[in-house]
Amino acid sequence: GDSVTQMEGPVTLSEEAFLTINCTYTATGYPSLFWYVQYPGEGLQLLLKATKADDKGSNKGFEATYRKETTSFHLEKGSVQVSDSAVYFCALSTSPSGQNFVFGPGTRLSVLP
Amino acid sequence: EPEVTQTPSHQVTQMGQEVILRCVPISNHLYFYWYRQILGQKVEFLVSFYNNEISEKSEIFDDQFSVERPDGSNFTLKIRSTKLEDSAMYFCASSVDPQGGYTFGSGTRLTVV
Repeated sequence: GDSVTQMEGPVTLSEEAFLTINCTYTATGYPSLFWYVQYPGEGLQLLLKATKADDKGSNKGFEATYRKETTSFHLEKGSVQVSDSAVYFCALSTSPSGQNFVFGPGTRLSVLP
Repeated sequence: EPEVTQTPSHQVTQMGQEVILRCVPISNHLYFYWYRQILGQKVEFLVSFYNNEISEKSEIFDDQFSVERPDGSNFTLKIRSTKLEDSAMYFCASSVDPQGGYTFGSGTRLTVV
């Protein structure tokens, strides 16, 4: 079945450091790819998305590029802030009716001042 | 920005009791979902709902679970006889185009004692 693999956390960085969170996927169809963020005590928020190969999703300084050849969708940010501390989930959707939306296990990011 | 609203934010119930978790999806969305996240673990798919019927359900969604859209605006998840292991954060989500991503509510934290 479809699956998403993320780098294991927790990831601890100093403020203004460069962030990469790796995400790779396995899918039978042609998936749409997403990054969701969960801040402490809150729900899941869509951070960015990409629906076809070579698309780049971007939001709030975060970017991820849909790489079909490597089945990857790595999340990057050039300079993290303390407020970016959260759990980040990579996810995919393959069914046209959205019946199968698969989350990765999540990567906890802690940014220290 | 339109939101998915979930109530209550936190519910404590005794083992064996029935609980109903409520969700108001975004008004023009057609696809509805429930997910859960046991503390410290990954987000798990429970069920998807479209055109007034269940589209797909996971093996977690056994006979003690049911969903309903009673009045065209609410979308509820009922757990008939709660168990300790049902303690989790339950997220409702809705979508107008599943390939474009889902909008999640902020979750209901269910604690079974």
